Amino acid sequence: EPEVTQTPSHQVTQMGQEVILRCVPISNHLYFYWYRQILGQKVEFLVSFYNNEISEKSEIFDDQFSVERPDGSNFTLKIRSTKLEDSAMYFCASSEAGGYGYTFGSGTRLTVV
Amino acid sequence: GQSLEQPSEVTAVEGAIVQINCTYQTSGFYGLSWYQQHDGGAPTFLSYNALDGLEETGRFSSFLSRSDSYGYLLLQELQMKDSASYFCAVRALYQLIWGAGTKLIIKP
Repeated sequence: EPEVTQTPSHQVTQMGQEVILRCVPISNHLYFYWYRQILGQKVEFLVSFYNNEISEKSEIFDDQFSVERPDGSNFTLKIRSTKLEDSAMYFCASSEAGGYGYTFGSGTRLTVV
Repeated sequence: GQSLEQPSEVTAVEGAIVQINCTYQTSGFYGLSWYQQHDGGAPTFLSYNALDGLEETGRFSSFLSRSDSYGYLLLQELQMKDSASYFCAVRALYQLIWGAGTKLIIKP
């Protein structure tokens, strides 16, 4: 069964450092997303990406965040200057149609110290 | 504001049937999804209702009433492996707005 692959599975970084989280969506999916989940809390939408541009973003997705699809397979989330409150599990997802039927990756646990 | 309400925890017995309710209040609505999440794992898509009525997928069914801003997930013939958190999520165009999740505890 096709999978969404995320790397790394764990990332520890110092406050103020830049991090890049990587994702390989399912190859025939057209819509890509980043969500995050702070431990024990609900899943929060960050950004959706379609046709090589951001289609929607949340208030969380401020100027510190950016996304890129550098080639035909990877989809990355960059946090420019990490804060302690950015510590969370970050999930990448993709879907054939916009907004439903997501397949999620296993997540990257980001810890900012 | 946007809100989804679902019970924080439900307990049931193996082999039984359980219903997890979800009420929502959102500015946009295209459909209601349900996801399962085991501890430490990724959410897994279970079902999606865009129109009123019941959708059945194996042991799981999902219902939507748009006029009542209400939906539920019905799990039948419960198995121990169904112990997980279940999230309802409203599709607002491309993004999903998530409830806080219902922890399903299954007793033998």
